[in-house]
Amino acid sequence: QVQLQESGPGLVKPSETLSLTCTVSGGSISSYYWSWIRQPAGKGLEWIGRIHSSGTTNYNPSLKSQFSMSVDRSTNQLSLRLSSVTAADTAVYYCAKYSGSYFSYFDSWGQGTLVTVSS
Amino acid sequence: QSVLAQPPSVSGAPGQRVTISCTGSSSNIGTDYGVHWYQQLPGTAPKLLIFDNSNRPSGVPDRFSGSRSGTSASLAISGLQAEDEADYYCQSYDNSLSAVFGGGTKLTVL
Repeated sequence: QVQLQESGPGLVKPSETLSLTCTVSGGSISSYYWSWIRQPAGKGLEWIGRIHSSGTTNYNPSLKSQFSMSVDRSTNQLSLRLSSVTAADTAVYYCAKYSGSYFSYFDSWGQGTLVTVSS
Repeated sequence: QSVLAQPPSVSGAPGQRVTISCTGSSSNIGTDYGVHWYQQLPGTAPKLLIFDNSNRPSGVPDRFSGSRSGTSASLAISGLQAEDEADYYCQSYDNSLSAVFGGGTKLTVL
């Protein structure tokens, strides 16, 4: 089973750009869909979007279009960029692997990385 | 406000059976996308518990079961144990092709 590990700066100032990385080990990033999901403290899960190993992306239309996902097959890494962050973006960010198809379930999750937006 | 509605909390004594409901609509659970359930123990990442409405991944005890009917789904936990105390989330997809989650249900074992 693949393992996922998120990494990021921890603390970001308002209006800055947040960059997170998810490193996949124990398997190839190729041929799968991957997602970013976030969870504010004490709240529920929010799907940010999905990306295929080919680079095709879909984003949650309910969120502002400030997210950008990418994949690097050479390093087996996923990336998430969030521009113009506000306090509302403070959350634990998870990367997760789809079990198979476009509409399948998340069978592997990273441990999550906490992002705090504060000046 | 979450797309899928779950009760904020449920509770039960050890050995009892509890159920957690997940209510959606014709644009999400009412489709054929399937409903999945995740267990989130305190301070940890969610873990897949039930997939495709009623299937258990390897290693998940058969005390956990899922079902779906129409625009709703439910998770049942029988023989409640202290280690089951966690947050539980349902998940499906909607017509915008987005994954949608329930708001989560906190299970307290009395």
